[in-house]
Amino acid sequence: DAGVIQSPRHEVTEMGQEVTLRCKPISGHDYLFWYRQTMMRGLELLIYFNNNVPIDDSGMPEDRFSAKMPNASFSTLKIQPSEPRDSAVYFCASSSSRADANQETQYFGPGTRLLVL
Amino acid sequence: KQEVTQIPAALSVPEGENLVLNCSFTDSAIYNLQWFRQDPGKGLTSLLLIQSSQREQTSGRLNASLDKSSGRSTLYIAASQPGDSATYLCAVRIGGFKTIFGAGTRLFVKA
Repeated sequence: DAGVIQSPRHEVTEMGQEVTLRCKPISGHDYLFWYRQTMMRGLELLIYFNNNVPIDDSGMPEDRFSAKMPNASFSTLKIQPSEPRDSAVYFCASSSSRADANQETQYFGPGTRLLVL
Repeated sequence: KQEVTQIPAALSVPEGENLVLNCSFTDSAIYNLQWFRQDPGKGLTSLLLIQSSQREQTSGRLNASLDKSSGRSTLYIAASQPGDSATYLCAVRIGGFKTIFGAGTRLFVKA
């Protein structure tokens, strides 16, 4: 398996523009997580899905942020409009609830480095 | 509100030394605790996951322990190597699948 795939790896945009981050989880995983990492706040959970359904979005900072999971192999995190304080590394992770040796282990993608000017 | 603290924030040791990284959490009602490694500019790699009913997990030179009642976990690294240099994060799973991370311990192993 290729692991969790995220795109783009780097994104530079101007304030006010729309940003869309993409994630492909590991095949067969039923949980998908979006995190944001900054120096000041560390790693924060934004939202997570179970079987494509959003379960907890209490970490989404503002209405400017939205996430979707239209199917088991794809998720997006959208910021509209973007602001300089949104600059961070955004990680996607997936895990499985199946009872095997790696149950609940979270597997992270390489992240998307976002810079909003 | 669950808070996760990691001490020390940074650590520098000579190669070959055994070391312990500490993680504490304020609410003992956790489902599991996971230790991750993060290399600069990279994503997180899971090292060990301890379920709330377990006391420890081992993988190679790594051993993680969990004392849920006291809200503590330790990651023991035996015979450290320069390749172990990275940031180590612990994370606790609370209600649902919500996960709270510590700020991490930055480890540097000198050759």
